[in-house]
Amino acid sequence: GAGVSQSPSNKVTEKGKDVELRCDPISGHTALYWYRQSLGQGLEFLIYFQGNSAPDKSGLPSDRFSAERTGGSVSTLTIQRTQQEDSAVYLCASSPTLSYNEQFFGPGTRLTVL
Amino acid sequence: AQSVTQLDSQVPVFEEAPVELRCNYSSSVSVYLFWYVQYPNQGLQLLLKYLSGSTLVKGINGFEAEFNKSQTSFHLRKPSVHISDTAEYFCAVGYTGFQKLVFGTGTRLLVSP
Repeated sequence: GAGVSQSPSNKVTEKGKDVELRCDPISGHTALYWYRQSLGQGLEFLIYFQGNSAPDKSGLPSDRFSAERTGGSVSTLTIQRTQQEDSAVYLCASSPTLSYNEQFFGPGTRLTVL
Repeated sequence: AQSVTQLDSQVPVFEEAPVELRCNYSSSVSVYLFWYVQYPNQGLQLLLKYLSGSTLVKGINGFEAEFNKSQTSFHLRKPSVHISDTAEYFCAVGYTGFQKLVFGTGTRLLVSP
């Protein structure tokens, strides 16, 4: 079956511009997670959704970052007024429930801010 | 604070040799442990997981890991590596009461002929 998909796969933008990153989770998965992977770093948690609500936004680095999920499916991560330090690979994952089971990861979106 | 430590950023090894990738985590009453692998230009794939039960966990591609509560460790092992095992390996921990996974910084396994 289809896995987690993310678009675009690569995004190059200029400092100060807004960007939107999209995640399509596996059908039927209620939990959705966003992580950021910077060069030489591990994965940094950003936010997770249970259905359309986001109980934990603690990982969002600043108020320039926001995310939403509609219809319990697709999620969009928005970064406003991008900065060079936002350059990273943004990974989305989904899991069937909020129990401690495997998170299935998408291929990521590589964001480069010039 | 919740943290995961992978002390080795890079592990070079010859083909068919054994390998151990180390992972230690900050102590907690109850944890759930995972190893993920990331091949070049690909997403993360689950190798194995420990949720409860036997402390020796077997995963895909011949990998296994052992949960050691007293040492707060979850080291990954393989008795004989292949060239195709060259990849980045991430240890991740889930802490009871928190839905997110806390990841280590990764260990790059380099297998040479």
